[in-house]
Amino acid sequence: ETGVTQSPTHLIKTRGQQVTLRCSSQSGHNTVSWYQQALGQGPQFIFQYYREEENGRGNFPPRFSGLQFPNYSSELNVNALELDDSALYLCASSLKGQPNYGYTFGSGTRLTVV
Amino acid sequence: AQSVTQLGSHVSVSEGALVLLRCNYSSSVPPYLFWYVQYPNQGLQLLLKYTSAATLVKGINGFEAEFKKSETSFHLTKPSAHMSDAAEYFCAVSTLTGYSTLTFGKGTMLLVSP
Repeated sequence: ETGVTQSPTHLIKTRGQQVTLRCSSQSGHNTVSWYQQALGQGPQFIFQYYREEENGRGNFPPRFSGLQFPNYSSELNVNALELDDSALYLCASSLKGQPNYGYTFGSGTRLTVV
Repeated sequence: AQSVTQLGSHVSVSEGALVLLRCNYSSSVPPYLFWYVQYPNQGLQLLLKYTSAATLVKGINGFEAEFKKSETSFHLTKPSAHMSDAAEYFCAVSTLTGYSTLTFGKGTMLLVSP
């Protein structure tokens, strides 16, 4: 059983640029959720994808967008980067409608915006 | 809506002492509850989860938690702390309603002294 893999592990971007983060879900999982974890904070829900469509969204602006592919992998795109976007971005895969099965997290992508 | 409150942003114990990390939740429907651990610069690792079966849940590394509905609590305990337990701990809640995502507390940093 493969776990959740995220890439890249670290990157540095300049304010105003765009970034794409990638996530491959755990084998057997069909839902991917993205979280933003600022320094010293708990993870905050960005959005969730199921069947290649956004299935739910937290309190994040539209410049945060995503995709899910037929193999359940996912991308998080952030446009017009701001300094406050600097954070650890976590991807979690799960089974739709089965929270009791749990959520498997990747190791995250550390984004620094300068 | 659901929420989690973790009492104490930092908890300090001596090696061999009891570990108690507090978590209270708010949910209008039956919750699923989780404890995750995060080591520096890493993702989230599941310690244990409550999924409406036994109220006393045993997890990895000797941790356990008890679901108390009357107190809306899910405190994490370990009888004897080890230096390797030093990390940040997050309590999270999910439900079957909506898109079933995780809502996290702000985290508690566990410090273990020799």
